[in-house]
Amino acid sequence: GAVVSQHPSWVICKSGTSVKIECRSLDFQATTMFWYRQFPKQSLMLMATSNEGSKATYEQGVEKDKFLINHASLTLSTLTVTSAHPEDSSFYICSARVVQQFFGPGTRLTVL
Amino acid sequence: ELKVEQNPLFLSMQEGKNYTIYCNYSTTSDRLYWYRQDPGKSLESLFVLLSNGAVKQEGRLMASLDTKARLSTLHITAAVHDLSATYFCAVERINNNDMRFGAGTRLTVKP
Repeated sequence: GAVVSQHPSWVICKSGTSVKIECRSLDFQATTMFWYRQFPKQSLMLMATSNEGSKATYEQGVEKDKFLINHASLTLSTLTVTSAHPEDSSFYICSARVVQQFFGPGTRLTVL
Repeated sequence: ELKVEQNPLFLSMQEGKNYTIYCNYSTTSDRLYWYRQDPGKSLESLFVLLSNGAVKQEGRLMASLDTKARLSTLHITAAVHDLSATYFCAVERINNNDMRFGAGTRLTVKP
């Protein structure tokens, strides 16, 4: 149990376009989901906390107008990177919490 | 602010040797996690430690938690090549929805 999926697994896009990443809890409901970003050879950095039915809470330094988070149901949260630029290229990992956090497989974003 | 310090950052070991990775954190927290990450992959959960004195073991890995010292250790016994990966500790404060990761320890086990 406690499986979290992400889609897509990887995406390549042109600079200036928007990309949507989905995070789903497959066999449980999660009131709270989290979005992390990991640059190569670095640790995971919490970007935002997503709560079902309410606005996301963003960490300091994360632009909420650039990284749009929607948590429309207890099993789905989405992260949209708007007007992506090469510096947004990263590995994005979501997690869903029930008792503890369970992590998705990650989405590798490359912006050309 | 919750801060997590992990050391060493890089660890090269011979097979069969023992070593310990350390994780210090700055404020009282609810849970401490240890994860393994292989290149290009997401996190694999190894241990969740909840209370002072907690000790968990799985195979050649053993994790412990001292909440008074705000210290957790991940001990590797008789390392094998398959343990080569990056290991992260992470500390969670549930009421704050706050989860902070250590910088990671890149472990290489050499034959």
